[in-house]
Amino acid sequence: AQKITQTQPGMFVQEKEAVTLDCTYDTSDPSYGLFWYKQPSSGEMIFLIYQGSYDQQNATEGRYSLNFQKARKSANLVISASQLGDSAMYFCAMREGNQAGTALIFGKGTTLSVSS
Amino acid sequence: EAQVTQNPRYLITVTGKKLTVTCSQNMNHEYMSWYRQDPGLGLRQIYYSMNVEVTDKGDVPEGYKVSRKEKRNFPLILESPSPNQTSLYFCASSLFQGAASRGTEAFFGQGTRLTVV
Repeated sequence: AQKITQTQPGMFVQEKEAVTLDCTYDTSDPSYGLFWYKQPSSGEMIFLIYQGSYDQQNATEGRYSLNFQKARKSANLVISASQLGDSAMYFCAMREGNQAGTALIFGKGTTLSVSS
Repeated sequence: EAQVTQNPRYLITVTGKKLTVTCSQNMNHEYMSWYRQDPGLGLRQIYYSMNVEVTDKGDVPEGYKVSRKEKRNFPLILESPSPNQTSLYFCASSLFQGAASRGTEAFFGQGTRLTVV
């Protein structure tokens, strides 16, 4: 079974609108971390936001917030007030376990296109 | 500036010709790893290292070698490249902590686009 599932291959949004990118995860470990990365067309991987499994509040970083629903095992990324520069591929990822050095497992990504 | 540096950025080579992609980080991170990215598959881990002289296989290690002789460097070696190793490769580094600890995000290099003909 896939550990990270991103069901939206592509999403389209108008400038200044909010958009939600879906991510569900699968783990039986109570300790895990969830991450979102952005990959623009230039190819680099940019870290956006982190949510720990024990965090009580949803993470926020500027226009990015993570809608963490633990019981549903979902960690959706919300981008408020979309900008043209937000057009990119977005990856959800997870690390599991309390031991150090576990792998970062990625979903297959969602391509976001922002239009004016 | 904290960074992970990969070289080269682009490489075209022929089947069977040994090559090395270098990776260096300046953040004193213990954990380093290599990923390959292919369309529709996301990023898959090739090899990782938890510290100097400690390396282990990831999900797709066949056809690759790594070494970790110094903490900052983690080169990826393709002894006999084949066309199915044509891909976008990323090196990443991170702190060596439990998964639920803040600050364990991976820092990525700029990527190496490899074509094997």
